[in-house]
Amino acid sequence: AQSVTQLDSQVPVFEEAPVELRCNYSSSVSVYLFWYVQYPNQGLQLLLKYLSGSTLVESINGFEAEFNKSQTSFHLRKPSVHISDTAEYFCAVNFRGNYKLTFGKGTLLTVNP
Amino acid sequence: DVKVTQSSRYLVKRTGEKVFLECVQDMDHENMFWYRQDPGLGLRLIYFSYDVKMKEKGDIPEGYSVSREKKERFSLILESASTNQTSMYLCASSGFGGQGDEQFFGPGTRLTVL
Repeated sequence: AQSVTQLDSQVPVFEEAPVELRCNYSSSVSVYLFWYVQYPNQGLQLLLKYLSGSTLVESINGFEAEFNKSQTSFHLRKPSVHISDTAEYFCAVNFRGNYKLTFGKGTLLTVNP
Repeated sequence: DVKVTQSSRYLVKRTGEKVFLECVQDMDHENMFWYRQDPGLGLRLIYFSYDVKMKEKGDIPEGYSVSREKKERFSLILESASTNQTSMYLCASSGFGGQGDEQFFGPGTRLTVL
């Protein structure tokens, strides 16, 4: 079965600490991978995506994610978080042959001073 | 910039009412989607449309219908609202460049059914 799992529903961290938000998927077909961010009272915005090529992808605000095919993972990392990174983060997968996106249940990142 | 707008940010309706949620996108996108978002459940696809007058059921279509008469507009209809349809509803659109296309989201409509 095709599924997306975000292993942590909440991740509290202190400002300037590193963070990793985990995402695993289950699939028998190849995939496209996305991370979306939702700031309070807003819609979702694309943070970064992996389609092909280099397995390490970066966003403009310092986040990066690495596609690991053998572990079927696409974890999101940032070496030093800011208060303004407080948001909910969603991993999403497009299973090839199906143009829907399947979302994980989300991880609420709370950055404390 | 792609803009996806939704007709209301907040909506309060009574059980049994017919409810219309409207979504408009300005980028000539072929695909449009309706999701509901609930705490702890993430986003779940209700319906999507890949062309005018075309629609397909998503994962949770029960109790909902949709209409797409024009390319830019995609409406979600709750024929007879119930309290378990209280939720955040998100509309999204994407182009037809391929399955790797980004979906662009509206700000959401928080619907409360009393």
